[in-house]
Amino acid sequence: ELKVEQNPLFLSMQEGKNYTIYCNYSTTSDRLYWYRQDPGKSLESLFVLLSNGAVKQEGRLMASLDTKARLSTLHITAAVHDLSATYFCAEDMRFGAGTRLTVKP
Amino acid sequence: DARVTQTPRHKVTEMGQEVTMRCQPILGHNTVFWYRQTMMQGLELLAYFRNRAPLDDSGMPKDRFSAEMPDATLATLKIQPSEPRDSAVYFCASGLVQDGRFGANVLTFGAGSRLTVL
Repeated sequence: ELKVEQNPLFLSMQEGKNYTIYCNYSTTSDRLYWYRQDPGKSLESLFVLLSNGAVKQEGRLMASLDTKARLSTLHITAAVHDLSATYFCAEDMRFGAGTRLTVKP
Repeated sequence: DARVTQTPRHKVTEMGQEVTMRCQPILGHNTVFWYRQTMMQGLELLAYFRNRAPLDDSGMPKDRFSAEMPDATLATLKIQPSEPRDSAVYFCASGLVQDGRFGANVLTFGAGSRLTVL
């Protein structure tokens, strides 16, 4: 069965702290996508990772892809409240369950 | 910016009624997806089309759900009869898939149709 698994599913962080969200997938895919969803809103593309070792960064978020381990990570550096959202990883059209991130002052 | 347009944005109906949700994908995108989002099940892939042809609808309850793409500018998702357990947000997304690969082309999601079945 094709699976995309994220952990943790819920993450409560203090502002200023660092944390990593993990995404494991079951195929031999060489690409992985991250999306963000704000409460009550739609999903928006965040990162596109298209090869083994790919790393993308935007602001306090950095995503990486290890195709050999079938693992992608989304690292949050010095979290701020504006990062509070649900983050999804996807292997093409298949999405993980999402990680609901809450950043507290 | 090009957008995926979904209607209606909100729908409240009674059990047993027919519900039709519509989606206008981005012009030039060749693949259209329907997803359902609930707190319990997360984001479920219901069905998708490539060049208007249905490729996979295994995620849909066949007895009551149907998805069609009558032309390149319109995809529909119909529920008949609707049940309270169908209450969810239904998202349409479109993308450009080439040679079976998404590549750098991500999915663009519509704003969603929030369905409440009483």
